[in-house]
Amino acid sequence: QKEVEQNSGPLSVPEGAIASLNCTYSDRGSQSFFWYRQYSGKSPELIMSIYSNGDKEDGRFTAQLNKASQYVSLLIRDSQPSDSATYLCAVILSGGYNKLIFGAGTRLAVHP
Amino acid sequence: DADVTQTPRNRITKTGKRIMLECSQTKGHDRMYWYRQDPGLGLRLIYYSFDVKDINKGEISDGYSVSRQAQAKFSLSLESAIPNQTALYFCATSKGYLNEQFFGPGTRLTVL
Repeated sequence: QKEVEQNSGPLSVPEGAIASLNCTYSDRGSQSFFWYRQYSGKSPELIMSIYSNGDKEDGRFTAQLNKASQYVSLLIRDSQPSDSATYLCAVILSGGYNKLIFGAGTRLAVHP
Repeated sequence: DADVTQTPRNRITKTGKRIMLECSQTKGHDRMYWYRQDPGLGLRLIYYSFDVKDINKGEISDGYSVSRQAQAKFSLSLESAIPNQTALYFCATSKGYLNEQFFGPGTRLTVL
């Protein structure tokens, strides 16, 4: 089992809709979770971090964390074509040196 | 703006050559990382350093070495490049415990 798993997509949504991106992780002791956005050929850009169960909102983005289910998600409201990118889920594993483990990413396509 | 820079941005080299990729940051962060990204495999950690005297191997360190010349500089070397080291390489930095990582623009390396 991979440590961080994401559906590779592509996830296709119409402009203005809500995009829902999901991520599961294997380490039950993980405490820190991140979402990065990566445009093709560019570097990952941190868009959300979440540490506690529940929802965290920042503008059009909402991160949701459920540690019991080992599940973290990202909702993008009012999706725009400029949101089309690959979204990477990243988790810090418990123990050791706080290493950040990335999922392979979900490609999101927002069509007009 | 505080930033993370990488040089070179693109490099084509031949099998067996020694290559050095350089990373500098003006963010004042203590922790620095080197990742490689391959299509479908996501980001994988090569080496990381929590301060100048603390360097650690990541999940794919074979064939690579690093040097932390100063808090702001972290270099990655390929002693004898091979074609399967063709990839996109990213440097990242973070500050302290929170481990929100910020990425440089990347170096696209091609080994022929």
